[in-house]
Parts: sequence; C-alpha cells; structure tokens
Amino acid sequence: RKEVEQDPGPFNVPEGATVAFNCTYSNSASQSFFWYRQDCRKEPKLLMSVYSSGNEDGRFTAQLNRASQYISLLIRDSKLSDSATYLCVVRGSTLGRLYFGRGTQLTVWP
Amino acid sequence: GAVVSQHPSWVICKSGTSVKIECRSLDFQATTMFWYRQFPKQSLMLMATSNEGSKATYEQGVEKDKFLINHASLTLSTLTVTSAHPEDSSFYICSARIRGRSYNEQFFGPGTRLTVL
Repeated sequence: RKEVEQDPGPFNVPEGATVAFNCTYSNSASQSFFWYRQDCRKEPKLLMSVYSSGNEDGRFTAQLNRASQYISLLIRDSKLSDSATYLCVVRGSTLGRLYFGRGTQLTVWP
Repeated sequence: GAVVSQHPSWVICKSGTSVKIECRSLDFQATTMFWYRQFPKQSLMLMATSNEGSKATYEQGVEKDKFLINHASLTLSTLTVTSAHPEDSSFYICSARIRGRSYNEQFFGPGTRLTVL
C-alpha cells in the first residue's frame, strides 16, 4: 500500500468555482502534513502546512483528520492561476523524510 | 527564502554514458540533501538521503552503484547516473534541509530533466 494516496483527477472547473481535494496516508505515526503545488515541468512548492485544528490561507483551507488519516484541501473562488498539480505530502517518523502523493491535477478554465 | 540550484536544468545523452547532476544550496548550509525522481504523471519518489561527510542512505530498490551520490560539502551534493539507459529518463529533483531549522522545512531545487536516447 502506498504511503500517500490521492485521486489523480483531473479536475476541470470554471473560474470562481470551489474545488476540494482529498488525500489519505497509511502511517499513523506521521508527524507533519503539507500541500504542495507543482506546475508543469517545475519543482514542487510549498502551498501550506496542515494542522489538526484546520487552517486557512486566503482562498485555501486545509483540514487534517488524524483518526481517519485523511487530509483535505479546499480552494474557493478558483482563479486561472490555480491551474497546477496539487501534491499531498506527509513527513514520516524518520527525520525529514517526505512522502509524496502522485498529485491531483487541476485546470481552471475561463 | 532559501535558494537551491541544480545544474544542468536539462540534459540529453546517449545510452551508456554517465551524467552528473549538481545540487547547490546558495545561501545556507545544507546538513541534509534529498534526491528524488519523478516519472511523468507519477509522484516524487525519494531515491536517497545524503548527509554531509557521510555515505548516502538509499531507498529500497535504488541501486547505489548506479546512482552515485557525493555530499562533499555543506553546500554541494552531486548525483551521478552511471551508464544511463532510456529507462533512467526522468525528472531528478534535489531538496535541502537547513542546519538548525525545522525538519519540516525543505527547499527544492528546480529539477533536472534527463533524457537518455
């Protein structure tokens, strides 16, 4: 079983739409959780960390459910510039070791 | 933010040749560097973890004699793909962790796209 599982999509939504991505992880001892964004042929870039209490950064809201080992990302009022692949990332118990999901592709159309 | 560079950004080579990829931390000391590989539409897969001055730790299934990693200084790590074959064609990305900073902080290089003919 993979460490991190994501629905690969693709998600195709119009501008202004709300879209949600989900992710599950297999190791209950995982320490930290993140969403990264990766544009085509580029390196991944940190979008936001995910905390148990849930956290928000502008139009982006992330949630973590440790009991279900489930992470989510909600994007409100989608912009064209949000088009990218969103990677669910988990840091394991080994120091610094990151596990990446395969990513969910989002395309926002005008 | 911290900057990590990779060189070259892309390389095309013939089958059987060796290719060296450099990963540099430009304005900080990187105690640990990670090397990843990403095939099209796949996730980043960790190949090895490299600590300055010590041997790299390879993930299961990654051949250490084929993917040579050297982390000779706190600002430079190199990955050499020896006797490259078409199946080694991939996007190779390094990341670095800064001395004294949170384990959650990793800074990624821009990646190197390798195509083996």
